[in-house]
Amino acid sequence: NAGVTQTPKFQVLKTGQSMTLQCAQDMNHNSMYWYRQDPGMGLRLIYYSASEGTTDKGEVPNGYNVSRLNKREFSLRLESAAPSQTSVYFCASSIGRNTEAFFGQGTRLTVV
Amino acid sequence: QKEVEQDPGPLSVPEGAIVSLNCTYSNSAFQYFMWYRQYSRKGPELLMYTYSSGNKEDGRFTAQVDKSSKYISLFIRDSQPSDSATYLCAMSATPLTGGGNKLTFGTGTQLKVEL
Repeated sequence: NAGVTQTPKFQVLKTGQSMTLQCAQDMNHNSMYWYRQDPGMGLRLIYYSASEGTTDKGEVPNGYNVSRLNKREFSLRLESAAPSQTSVYFCASSIGRNTEAFFGQGTRLTVV
Repeated sequence: QKEVEQDPGPLSVPEGAIVSLNCTYSNSAFQYFMWYRQYSRKGPELLMYTYSSGNKEDGRFTAQVDKSSKYISLFIRDSQPSDSATYLCAMSATPLTGGGNKLTFGTGTQLKVEL
């Protein structure tokens, strides 16, 4: 049971570099989410996709872009990484809006 | 003021103790309430999911929601060292109240159950 799979698990970037975090779910869920988790801040929503073909900004979208490639896949792109984007990034999915979300194992990103 | 407040701990208890974890919230539109457990360097995993007020029990875990007080709790009976983790509360509003499509999380309470 794969559930929600994120790649890569770890990444170190230099300031100004770009990268894409990949996420795929095999639970036939409609909604997908990207969160970041920082000490003392909890989980904060970056972007979400309520259904295939739609994306919306969350609480902290600046510096990020997303693509809902199909029902299974939802990617997060950092166009020009900054040290403030050093964080643990989690992808999640849910059957529908406002229902329980299931999380991937996270991507630990360090921007130097 | 944050929409969801949660004491970060750490909370340290002896094995076998009853643990009480709590969150308060300010948004009266919240209808769905969840508790997640997160082990160190892992993703959050869903423990309990409740809708509106009342209690829900699952094995050693009981979730309580008191909407009148805007207060939710998670009780762990007969706590075990394997329960040592960070516990996150999460909540969301229903579409009918225009609450949107996202979960709002507390910052998490770190729990350590000692032998």
